[in-house]
Amino acid sequence: NAGVTQTPKFQVLKTGQSMTLQCAQDMNHNSMYWYRQDPGMGLRLIYYSASEGTTDKGEVPNGYNVSRLNKREFSLRLESAAPSQTSVYFCASSAGRGERSSYEQYFGPGTRLTVT
Amino acid sequence: AQSVAQPEDQVNVAEGNPLTVKCTYSVSGNPYLFWYVQYPNRGLQFLLKYITGDNLVKGSYGFEAEFNKSQTSFHLKKPSALVSDSALYFCAVSNTGGFKTIFGAGTRLFVKA
Repeated sequence: NAGVTQTPKFQVLKTGQSMTLQCAQDMNHNSMYWYRQDPGMGLRLIYYSASEGTTDKGEVPNGYNVSRLNKREFSLRLESAAPSQTSVYFCASSAGRGERSSYEQYFGPGTRLTVT
Repeated sequence: AQSVAQPEDQVNVAEGNPLTVKCTYSVSGNPYLFWYVQYPNRGLQFLLKYITGDNLVKGSYGFEAEFNKSQTSFHLKKPSALVSDSALYFCAVSNTGGFKTIFGAGTRLFVKA
């Protein structure tokens, strides 16, 4: 049981390049999330997927797109990277609403992205 | 709009002493409150939550937190700190069952031997 996995662990991009961050969970969770963490600002929600087939914007969605590929996988895409997107990106999942509903989130190890 | 305040950037405590990490929140409706811990170069780990019920909730590693509705606070406590408790602690709030969770800026806890 690996929990939440993210790839890659580190990435350096030039301004204008694109990339996709991958996330997968093996806990059969309904809901998945993407956050960015910047010093002194805590975590800010970029996008979330309450259940398979749905996605919604969070606090800071501009410059990002997401895909909920299936129940396990939730990817984050930067179409044209900017230096302001230099950050540590975390994927998380939670069981969500339902019989086994619980609201705490389980986090992956993070991707450290630098845009030059 | 939801918000979370962690008024202390850093808390220093001696090993064996009690510790408190403060959190206040603002949310419309019933709050879902959480504490998470982050060790260096790791993702966040869930410690405890308040959804409903007893105001004092107990969580992992001997931590507990008290929900105070009148003061809109959810302070994290531990009776006896360990050096291994040194980490970054985040308070979080949601009014949508966990979706659109707002995190505080974090409080760094240093426990000195």
